[in-house]
Amino acid sequence: GAVVSQHPSRVICKSGTSVKIECRSLDFQATTMFWYRQFPKQSLMLMATSNEGSKATYEQGVEKDKFLINHASLTLSTLTVTSAHPEDSSFYICSATPIQGALETQYFGPGTRLLVL
Amino acid sequence: DAKTTQPTSMDCAEGRAANLPCNHSTISGNEYVYWYRQIHSQGPQYIIHGLKNNETNEMASLIITEDRKSSTLILPHATLRDTAVYYCIVRIIQGAQKLVFGQGTRLTINP
Repeated sequence: GAVVSQHPSRVICKSGTSVKIECRSLDFQATTMFWYRQFPKQSLMLMATSNEGSKATYEQGVEKDKFLINHASLTLSTLTVTSAHPEDSSFYICSATPIQGALETQYFGPGTRLLVL
Repeated sequence: DAKTTQPTSMDCAEGRAANLPCNHSTISGNEYVYWYRQIHSQGPQYIIHGLKNNETNEMASLIITEDRKSSTLILPHATLRDTAVYYCIVRIIQGAQKLVFGQGTRLTINP
């Protein structure tokens, strides 16, 4: 149980285009999902907290107009990188916490590798 | 959330126990100790967590000192697949629930 999926697993896009990444909790419901970014040889950095039915909370230094987050249901959150540039190339990872059961544990998706040319 | 300190890297022989230390000297009474690991190019995987008692599950054991200022994650019989970056995180159960990752320990299991 407690499986989180991400789609796509990897994407290559041209500079200036927008990319949407989906995060789904497959066997549990999650009112809160988190989005992280990880550059090579670095640790995970939290970008934003996504709450179902409300606006996301962004960490300091993360542009909310560039990284659009939509949490439309208890099993789906999406991250859209708008007008992507090469410096946005990174490994994007989501996580979710079940609303029932193991409330204290976050489960992570497999990540999405974005390459902007 | 309290800051944690972990060694940058460690090596362990396959089949031996891997003991990963973590210092969290500023931990407060309502903060838990969590361990996650990240295998290369994958999302982090939850391992174990605890408050003050030692904990054991199918993956590992967590030993927390009596003063809670440090802990050790034990992988009893390390395999090559345990090669990963191991993150020790302390956080409260309630609240924002966000996890703040440090640099972790890069554990290499050698054949």
